[in-house]
Amino acid sequence: EAGVTQSPTHLIKTRGQQATLRCSPISGHTSVYWYQQALGLGLQFLLWYDEGEERNRGNFPPRFSGRQFPNYSSELNVNALELEDSALYLCASSLDRRGRGRQETQYFGPGTRLLVL
Amino acid sequence: AQKITQTQPGMFVQEKEAVTLDCTYDTSDQSYGLFWYKQPSSGEMIFLIYQGSYDEQNATEGRYSLNFQKARKSANLVISASQLGDSAMYFCAMRGLEDTGRRALTFGSGTRLQVQP
Repeated sequence: EAGVTQSPTHLIKTRGQQATLRCSPISGHTSVYWYQQALGLGLQFLLWYDEGEERNRGNFPPRFSGRQFPNYSSELNVNALELEDSALYLCASSLDRRGRGRQETQYFGPGTRLLVL
Repeated sequence: AQKITQTQPGMFVQEKEAVTLDCTYDTSDQSYGLFWYKQPSSGEMIFLIYQGSYDEQNATEGRYSLNFQKARKSANLVISASQLGDSAMYFCAMRGLEDTGRRALTFGSGTRLQVQP
């Protein structure tokens, strides 16, 4: 069974540009989560999509946005890039947000390393 | 609010020995899940083990076991028979199961484990 995939693996942008990151969840998973891992700031929750809808977002400005497609894949868009947006962006998927046991587990992709110059 | 505390920034262990990585948490949820992830230098977060707050027995997954003490709000990871490939960052995380707004994972700051030959 294929795991969570993310593209691209690396992305270099300049300040003010827009970045688009993509994520494909594990087959059958309907929830997709985005996290940012910046140096010195740890892992921070960005966005959660479930069945095509944004369910919750973390403490990030509106220039961080995204969407989930009918096939449950997801896109994260970062507008007006700033230097501090340089980070590893991790996508995770889970089976059922109402489930218990192992169904609650979020499985992560390899991440996209975004560098803003 | 949820909070995860990992007080060991770095740990050393000799190959084939056991090691315990500490994790304490704070939450107002009655029902929650606790997770441990491993992050090698490649960046991908690898799920290791899960413990539900409603589980009466401590979780085990191969060489990994979770020492769950609910009253003390601790969920320490025990790795038995350490291997060189265990060298990585280890993150403790949790998510609530009651409030839709807290389905995302809250992570600790991590512990860097180095296994020495």
